[in-house]
Amino acid sequence: EPEVTQTPSHQVTQMGQEVILRCVPISNHLYFYWYRQILGQKVEFLVSFYNNEISEKSEIFDDQFSVERPDGSNFTLKIRSTKLEDSAMYFCAGGDGVVEKLFFGSGTQLSVL
Amino acid sequence: GNSVTQMEGPVTLSEEAFLTINCTYTATGYPSLFWYVQYPGEGLQLLLKATKADDKGSNKGFEATYRKETTSFHLEKGSVQVSDSAVYFCALSIGGSQGNLIFGKGTKLSVKP
Repeated sequence: EPEVTQTPSHQVTQMGQEVILRCVPISNHLYFYWYRQILGQKVEFLVSFYNNEISEKSEIFDDQFSVERPDGSNFTLKIRSTKLEDSAMYFCAGGDGVVEKLFFGSGTQLSVL
Repeated sequence: GNSVTQMEGPVTLSEEAFLTINCTYTATGYPSLFWYVQYPGEGLQLLLKATKADDKGSNKGFEATYRKETTSFHLEKGSVQVSDSAVYFCALSIGGSQGNLIFGKGTKLSVKP
């Protein structure tokens, strides 16, 4: 069964550093998403991406965050200058536009020190 | 606003015990409701869904009924197995938000042999 792949599974960075989280969605998906879960809190929607542009974003997704699909296969989330409160599990997801058919990756645990 | 509240975990049960994980929601309009499951080391997977009041979603022995009058979508299983050990997330989607799921915090279930 096809799956969404996220790398790395765990990333440690220093506060103020830039990080890029990578995702390889399922090849025929057209809609892509990032979610995150801070330890002990709810899974939160960050952003959705379609046709090479952001289609929806939450209040969390401020100017420090950006997404892109640079080569038609990878889907990346960049945090320009990480803060301690960015420490969370980040989930990538993809689908064909039907919310019931979202496929999630296993997540990248980001630790900001 | 729209939100999901689910019972705090962790929940520890013996094999063949009855499982209930409570979930209530607040939403404008008519949401679709979902249960996702995350097995260790894997991504979130859709377990079951219901798209309108009184619908019952079911899969792998799990059931949940969309109760509009109590704004609830409790997850139940009559006889749990060790392999059901996972984190369970209740979520809702508002029509028009493709892939923008609103999740609860998740409930960790551990089933002992």
